Amino acid sequence: EVQLVESGGGLVKPGGSLRLSCAASGFTFRNYGMNWVRQAPGKGLEWVSSLGSSGNNIYYADSVKGRFTISRDNTKNSLYLQMNSLRADDTAVYYCARDSTISGVVTSFDYWGQGTLVTVSS
Amino acid sequence: QSVLTQPPSVSAAPGQNVTISCSGSSSNIGNNYVSWYQQLPGAAPKLLIYDNNKRPSGIPDRFSGSTFGTSATLGITGLQTGDEADYYCGTWDNSLGAGGVFGTGTKVAVL
Repeated sequence: EVQLVESGGGLVKPGGSLRLSCAASGFTFRNYGMNWVRQAPGKGLEWVSSLGSSGNNIYYADSVKGRFTISRDNTKNSLYLQMNSLRADDTAVYYCARDSTISGVVTSFDYWGQGTLVTVSS
Repeated sequence: QSVLTQPPSVSAAPGQNVTISCSGSSSNIGNNYVSWYQQLPGAAPKLLIYDNNKRPSGIPDRFSGSTFGTSATLGITGLQTGDEADYYCGTWDNSLGAGGVFGTGTKVAVL
């Protein structure tokens, strides 16, 4: 069974940093591109970042570019999101999600974690 | 700010049919596959439709997807109370800041 479990969320002050992790199991992690998607309280889904299976093909939303860094460790079946210079509008539930195919082209997200809440507030 | 526009809400009685539109542009829907997601209250999103009109295993054929030009549509037939949820379209955008994009979301209410 495919499982994605996020961790690392919490309360952080504006300007602070946080590192999210996503532990994957139930599939060959190194074959799939992975993604982060967030959802602010009461709002819609916002794509954050995508990373190809071998660590190449990295993309970021303009809203996080230069502040967030996506990475992965295929030996640990884990995806990460390093978030720096956090702002109040980064407050959201952060989901990790798997690419639906191993083609390397991001077309859809077939499995999602349960999400981890990041709150940026003084 | 989302580049894909959906109606904020649709509603219908149990057993009836509904459609949800998703309007984009040539840089996204016009040249990339569209997917649809269902988000039940308090839950993570769930993939309903991928590659414009394909259903993952376990998704009933009451759900269907289609595209035409720069728009996409999700159809739900035989509406059930369990279908009450938020629905989002999604795709890739090839513009200068390439990346994923989601629709504004549509709340489906079963009357």
